[in-house]
Amino acid sequence: AQSVTQLDSHVSVSEGTPVLLRCNYSSSYSPSLFWYVQHPNKGLQLLLKYTSAATLVKGINGFEAEFKKSETSFHLTKPSAHMSDAAEYFCVVSLTGGTSYGKLTFGQGTILTVHP
Amino acid sequence: DVKVTQSSRYLVKRTGEKVFLECVQDMDHENMFWYRQDPGLGLRLIYFSYDVKMKEKGDIPEGYSVSREKKERFSLILESASTNQTSMYLCASRSGTGSIQPQHFGDGTRLSIL
Repeated sequence: AQSVTQLDSHVSVSEGTPVLLRCNYSSSYSPSLFWYVQHPNKGLQLLLKYTSAATLVKGINGFEAEFKKSETSFHLTKPSAHMSDAAEYFCVVSLTGGTSYGKLTFGQGTILTVHP
Repeated sequence: DVKVTQSSRYLVKRTGEKVFLECVQDMDHENMFWYRQDPGLGLRLIYFSYDVKMKEKGDIPEGYSVSREKKERFSLILESASTNQTSMYLCASRSGTGSIQPQHFGDGTRLSIL
């Protein structure tokens, strides 16, 4: 079984300050992990992915995430928030191995608010 | 870039109608998926398809069916729409087998059943 927990339902930051969105996962197999962003009334856009290569993953728009197996975490960070970063963010785990088709398990989402 | 196109952004239908939601991808992906997204419930998988004419039930298939006659197109069908099917519907596609490739999503169809 696999699960994803996003530790904060809402995060609020000021423009220009760092962003930290926290995600813990559990998986019986080696996971693939993704972060997606969803702007209002839009679909999900892939920010970055971890697939057992480098543990520090760089994504689009200045975001990055670090895979920590010992902590079963995959937190998303950005050094300096921009107003356009305001959106909902989803941490997603994909089951690998066995006969899995790559079923995705989604976290409940974190809404990021950026203040001027 | 992968392009997943959903035919309608907003749709209003009446209870009992048969409703078709269409999704087209332009990257020759083998796998396609339909989700619904509801506040407080997150994204839930309705059906997926790993090849033409092949389909598998997801977590909440009741009240829905799907059709995949061509590789690029995956249709979701509400056989007899009900108000509890009012939701945001998202289509996604992915290349290859296994799980390391990400799914690419369309912009969604916001469906209201009156």
